[in-house]
Amino acid sequence: AQTVTQSQPEMSVQEAETVTLSCTYDTSENNYYLFWYKQPPSRQMILVIRQEAYKQQNATENRFSVNFQKAAKSFSLKISDSQLGDTAMYFCAFSATQGGSEKLVFGKGTKLTVNP
Amino acid sequence: GAGVSQSPRYKVAKRGQDVALRCDPISGHVSLFWYQQALGQGPEFLTYFQNEAQLDKSGLPSDRFFAERPEGSVSTLKIQRTQQEDSAVYLCASSLAAASYEQYFGPGTRLTVT
Repeated sequence: AQTVTQSQPEMSVQEAETVTLSCTYDTSENNYYLFWYKQPPSRQMILVIRQEAYKQQNATENRFSVNFQKAAKSFSLKISDSQLGDTAMYFCAFSATQGGSEKLVFGKGTKLTVNP
Repeated sequence: GAGVSQSPRYKVAKRGQDVALRCDPISGHVSLFWYQQALGQGPEFLTYFQNEAQLDKSGLPSDRFFAERPEGSVSTLKIQRTQQEDSAVYLCASSLAAASYEQYFGPGTRLTVT
């Protein structure tokens, strides 16, 4: 069974600074996807960034980038130039590409607060 | 276009009552998922449909939970004889195709069992 661990329950950062959220996972699969989702206080879950395990290049989306270390099973999210609107719960998630079910396995989340 | 919608947004049920939660996925999306999110936790998978076929129901916590998607579009999650431990936010997500892996989430239904 796959597991996802987020070891930082809460983090805070000053506006315009950079912050890194940690995520590790455990799987015996070789092909899979990793995701970071953002859940603002309104609760609608939004995809931030996605990484395919077979790609060596780290994914980037504007101010968001990941550091994917496949051998270490680590998938951290870096937010640059933090903005007040980045305040939210951030969930790391895993999805295997085989087995028929595309279900997401989530970590417990990191509550990020961006301070003015 | 319209996103995933869920209704009702809030539901209060007395212990022992049956409830039905509705999910309208994005039009044309093949895959539909239900997740349960307890307070302060990450979502946990309940069940998965590809069109009208329920391909994975391994996350349903008991036989009191039942989901259907009879025409491959709208889905209903039914909970019979609700218990206090069923109190949670129930999230629905849809994705365009079986292999797309990008899921779009609805706003959720917050169920409180008293």
